[in-house]
Amino acid sequence: GAVVSQHPSRVICKSGTSVKIECRSLDFQATTMFWYRQFPKQSLMLMATSNEGSKATYEQGVEKDKFLINHASLTLSTLTVTSAHPEDSSFYICSARKTSGRSEQFFGPGTRLTVL
Amino acid sequence: DAKTTQPPSMDCAEGRAANLPCNHSTISGNEYVYWYRQIHSQGPQYIIHGLKNNETNEMASLIITEDRKSSTLILPHATLRDTAVYYCIVASGSARQLTFGSGTQLTVLP
Repeated sequence: GAVVSQHPSRVICKSGTSVKIECRSLDFQATTMFWYRQFPKQSLMLMATSNEGSKATYEQGVEKDKFLINHASLTLSTLTVTSAHPEDSSFYICSARKTSGRSEQFFGPGTRLTVL
Repeated sequence: DAKTTQPPSMDCAEGRAANLPCNHSTISGNEYVYWYRQIHSQGPQYIIHGLKNNETNEMASLIITEDRKSSTLILPHATLRDTAVYYCIVASGSARQLTFGSGTQLTVLP
């Protein structure tokens, strides 16, 4: 068990448009999900912590009005990149931590966003 | 969370054991050692974690020194598919986030 999926796996959009990325925990419930961003040849950087039923907690320097996060259920969190620009092109990865039991996080396969 | 230090890269021959070191000299008593790996253009994959005892699962073994200031991840029979960036992360069991460093690029050679 402990499978996390992301959709879409790859998206290309025009500058100024918005893109929504879904993160689902398929076989477990996750009160908390995390959104990371990874630029080429760099490590993962945490963007925000998504809490079911409450507002997300954003890391310093991450614009909450640009990166909208919704965690509507124990198995789904969404990240919407609003008014995307080329500098938002990156690899976006979500992870989920089980509501109870084990402490490790399980990661999705990532979404490659390219903004033209 | 305690900081970790890993070599930037390592090579290993296919079929041999890969031993990946990690230093975490400032680890606290309630902090675990987690290992993840990331194959190119994929999300990180959980490998193993431990507190102070050595751990083994179907993927790897984790050896933690008695003073807990360093650890070694062992892949007993490396294959080409084990080529990836390996991240050693120290965090408490109740930590709400993981902080990724730069990791070790392991290349398994045929």
